[in-house]
Amino acid sequence: DVKVTQSSRYLVKRTGEKVFLECVQDMDHENMFWYRQDPGLGLRLIYFSYDVKMKEKGDIPEGYSVSREKKERFSLILESASTNQTSMYLCASNQRDPTDTQYFGPGTRLTVL
Amino acid sequence: AQSVAQPEDQVNVAEGNPLTVKCTYSVSGNPYLFWYVQYPNRGLQFLLKYITGDNLVKGSYGFEAEFNKSQTSFHLKKPSALVSDSALYFCAVRDTALYSSASKIIFGSGTRLSIRP
Repeated sequence: DVKVTQSSRYLVKRTGEKVFLECVQDMDHENMFWYRQDPGLGLRLIYFSYDVKMKEKGDIPEGYSVSREKKERFSLILESASTNQTSMYLCASNQRDPTDTQYFGPGTRLTVL
Repeated sequence: AQSVAQPEDQVNVAEGNPLTVKCTYSVSGNPYLFWYVQYPNRGLQFLLKYITGDNLVKGSYGFEAEFNKSQTSFHLKKPSALVSDSALYFCAVRDTALYSSASKIIFGSGTRLSIRP
């Protein structure tokens, strides 16, 4: 079974802190994604990566950055957390084949106080 | 631009009755269409997908969906609902006319399905 893991299920941070969210997949997938999920808005793509050290902005990249130094690991960084970044963050991965489904991690619920 | 719409925020069905969760899409080329389900405090799980071929697609947990090109729809259906089907359902689409290095897809806003005993 494909497994996508995220470093924390719940995280509480203060405004202005630097926040790291880690995602690891064990299926040698080329593509990895970071989404945020908010009620009524569905999933919105923050960043994605199609190869090591490669990244592309999604629909809402402002206030975020990412890092992919190894194929299995994709990190989301909030440089200076703000209260409007309180959300559920979901990581996903899949193969380069555009018909392949995305496999999701369990999510990290981040609260910024 | 590609987009996907789930017109109902919530669908309520009695156990044993058939259920339908609606999804419509807009793409430039041919669509790849997906349904995912999310149980409380969990990530999304894949249910089924349409890539090509037969318009009726069968998936996990007894769900199926019908691709209708003329109506640009991909509604999720199940003949007999279970209480355990209660969850949040997401439709997603990828436009094959758009070039991308990754298989970027667009998700709908989600429909909460509630099955009453």
